[in-house]
Amino acid sequence: GNSVTQMEGPVTLSEEAFLTINCTYTATGYPSLFWYVQYPGEGLQLLLKATKADDKGSNKGFEATYRKETTSFHLEKGSVQVSDSAVYFCALSGGILTGGGNKLTFGTGTQLKVEL
Amino acid sequence: EADIYQTPRYLVIGTGKKITLECSQTMGHDKMYWYQQDPGMELHLIHYSYGVNSTEKGDLSSESTVSRIRTEHFPLTLESARPSHTSQYLCASSEGGFNEKLFFGSGTQLSVL
Repeated sequence: GNSVTQMEGPVTLSEEAFLTINCTYTATGYPSLFWYVQYPGEGLQLLLKATKADDKGSNKGFEATYRKETTSFHLEKGSVQVSDSAVYFCALSGGILTGGGNKLTFGTGTQLKVEL
Repeated sequence: EADIYQTPRYLVIGTGKKITLECSQTMGHDKMYWYQQDPGMELHLIHYSYGVNSTEKGDLSSESTVSRIRTEHFPLTLESARPSHTSQYLCASSEGGFNEKLFFGSGTQLSVL
């Protein structure tokens, strides 16, 4: 079945540091890949997505590239801010061949703490 | 941005009580979902619906039940709550298509004593 593996947190960085959160996946077919973010006390919200190999999703300075050869979708940001402190979830939805619709499979989440 | 609402935000109840967690969305989405989020933050799909009168069990077995009588409403019910049901419950909806984003509510934190 489908699965997503994320690096464990918490990840603690100083403001303006470079961020990478690793995500790898296992799936049949051609899944779409997502990063969701959960700020304290809130529900999840979509940060970015990529729907096919070599696509790059980007939003709010965050980027992730869909790498089919390495089955990865690592999240990066060049300069983090305190306001980026949150939990980040990598997720995939079933590809066309699996007919999985968009019942997302989530990773375990990575907590990011950004300090001044 | 999200027009999906969950109530209550927090709920503390005793063992054996029947509870219903409410979820409503005003976006007209056909697809709705319930996820259970454990203390380690991992999310598990427990129920989903592709439209009115359609409900399916998710990947994680759950003793809860759901109903979908109206498009906008997708309540989750526990007939007899137990401490093992203590968790965060997140409701979500989407327009459709396998690469469409999900809109999440703020969640209900349930504690069963």
